[in-house]
Amino acid sequence: EADIYQTPRYLVIGTGKKITLECSQTMGHDKMYWYQQDPGMELHLIHYSYGVNSTEKGDLSSESTVSRIRTEHFPLTLESARPSHTSQYLCASSHPQGAGETQYFGPGTRLLVL
Amino acid sequence: AQSVTQLGSHVSVSEGALVLLRCNYSSSVPPYLFWYVQYPNQGLQLLLKYTTGATLVKGINGFEAEFKKSETSFHLTKPSAHMSDAAEYFCAVSPQGAQKLVFGQGTRLTINP
Repeated sequence: EADIYQTPRYLVIGTGKKITLECSQTMGHDKMYWYQQDPGMELHLIHYSYGVNSTEKGDLSSESTVSRIRTEHFPLTLESARPSHTSQYLCASSHPQGAGETQYFGPGTRLLVL
Repeated sequence: AQSVTQLGSHVSVSEGALVLLRCNYSSSVPPYLFWYVQYPNQGLQLLLKYTTGATLVKGINGFEAEFKKSETSFHLTKPSAHMSDAAEYFCAVSPQGAQKLVFGQGTRLTINP
């Protein structure tokens, strides 16, 4: 069973505020990912990291930024939240295992920007 | 670019009936294939995956899926639906040699008593 945690689970915040969504995993996985999911829609990869001090932008353009200073921690930051950022954000991690490695997901953070 | 199509954004079946959720992918080279389930207010959980070998893959909770290369499909089935199967189901692909997942738009499964 994978252990990956996200906080907060729900966040309502006003426009212009800076926010950080936390993601931590206790499996020692090298790879971590952030996805954005709108209701009834597919997940879109917005950031990923293959190890400490390594971060890349995903397929969907995002105004958020990420950092990977420790293996277990992969926070996502929005410097100035806007209503268009309202969405669900899912964090995932995986470990190299050859073909078709499994990604393990956290419970998600639902963000509402007013 | 890889893409995944899930036919039917919403599927409704009666309890005890067959569940069939459809997934087709676009790729000239068979990718790795996954089915994930998402229960309300939770993250995604892996149901099953296909990498190589036997084309019929068995997963958790009685689900299975069959990889059909000629049809570029990976449909998910369960012989008898249970109320607890109500959830959102996502098909995903990972091109061989790549490490990122591409998701379909999801299918919401509703079980009628």
